Order: sequence, then structure tokens, then C-alpha cells
Amino acid sequence: DVKVTQSSRYLVKRTGEKVFLECVQDMDHENMFWYRQDPGLGLRLIYFSYDVKMKEKGDIPEGYSVSREKKERFSLILESASTNQTSMYLCASSFAWGRKPQHFGDGTRLSIL
Amino acid sequence: ELKVEQNPLFLSMQEGKNYTIYCNYSTTSDRLYWYRQDPGKSLESLFVLLSNGAVKQEGRLMASLDTKARLSTLHITAAVHDLSATYFCAVQQGAQKLVFGQGTRLTINP
Repeated sequence: DVKVTQSSRYLVKRTGEKVFLECVQDMDHENMFWYRQDPGLGLRLIYFSYDVKMKEKGDIPEGYSVSREKKERFSLILESASTNQTSMYLCASSFAWGRKPQHFGDGTRLSIL
Repeated sequence: ELKVEQNPLFLSMQEGKNYTIYCNYSTTSDRLYWYRQDPGKSLESLFVLLSNGAVKQEGRLMASLDTKARLSTLHITAAVHDLSATYFCAVQQGAQKLVFGQGTRLTINP
């Protein structure tokens, strides 16, 4: 079974802090993704990576950056957290080929005070 | 820009009834996914639809895809309480990305 593990289920940080969200997958997937989920908006893609050290902006990259130094690990960084970044953050991974679905982690509920 | 719209966004129904969730999308794609999310949980893949006319069934759920109409449906037959969840459709954009609908929160009452 595919396992996508996010480092924290709940996180509370203060405005202006630098925040790191970590995601690890164990299925040797090439692709990894970070989404945020807000009520009524579905999931919106922040960044994705299709290979080590490669990244592409998604639909809402402002205020975020990412790092992928190893194939299994994809980090989301909030450079200077703001209250409008309070949300549920979901990590996902998938193979590059084969038309298989993305597999999701359990999510991190992040509150910025 | 690809837009994906689901309707209804909220659905409350009685056990034993049938209903359909609709997923419309704005630009051509040949790949569509349905996911289920229980409260406080992650997204679970339900169906992958890969071609026009594709139909997949699992228990009381059946999904179909009409790429010409840019429409997918998720049909629920004789609903049971265990199917209460939020359902998302997601459309493939390019080689890697998915664009998600807003989600349909389904509540099934005894």
C-alpha cells in the first residue's frame, strides 16, 4: 500500500514565522504535490515536483516555496506566515506515467495566529 | 484555464434513494478522477476514467465520463449511511496536474 506521511496533523504558528511542512512517500513516486484545501474552494495546487530538485508553480504559489532534495521527501515552506495561510495542507504523490491516481497524506491543519 | 464545477455542493438524502452528482469541466481532457473524503481524513481514490464513454462501478457507486460534453457523473444507487462523505472530481491538466472541483458534501439520513 502507498504511504504518504505528513509530519504533523495539527500545527499552530505565529504571524511572521517561517514554517516547514514535511511530506514523505514510500512508493518511489516521481511526482509530489502540495495542495491547500479550504471550504467551498476544493483543493488548490500550490507547487509540484516531478523530479529531485525540480519544481513547478501551481495555481497559488505566492507566499510559499518548496524543496525536494531527495525523491521521497517534499517540503513546503511558508517564508513569513500570515493569517490568510491558515488552512488544511495536503501532500500527494504519483507515478509520472501509467495513468494512476494521486495518493494523499492525512493533511496538516495549520493555524496562523 | 481549466475550470471544474461540481453540483450540487451539498446534498442531503434519505437511505434507499438514488441520486447523481455532476462534474463539468471547461477544456478538453481525457482523464478524470473521483475521490472520497471522510471528515478529518485524507482523500481516497474511487475511480479513474480514461476515455469517452468510460463507466466504472464499485458497490453502490457508478461513475461515467462523456468527454464530448465535458461531463462526468457519480451515481449513487440505494444510498446507505456509510456513503456519507465529501466527493471530489478532479480533471487532468497536462501531464501531471489535477484541477479539483469544489466538492459535494453528501449526507445520507436513516
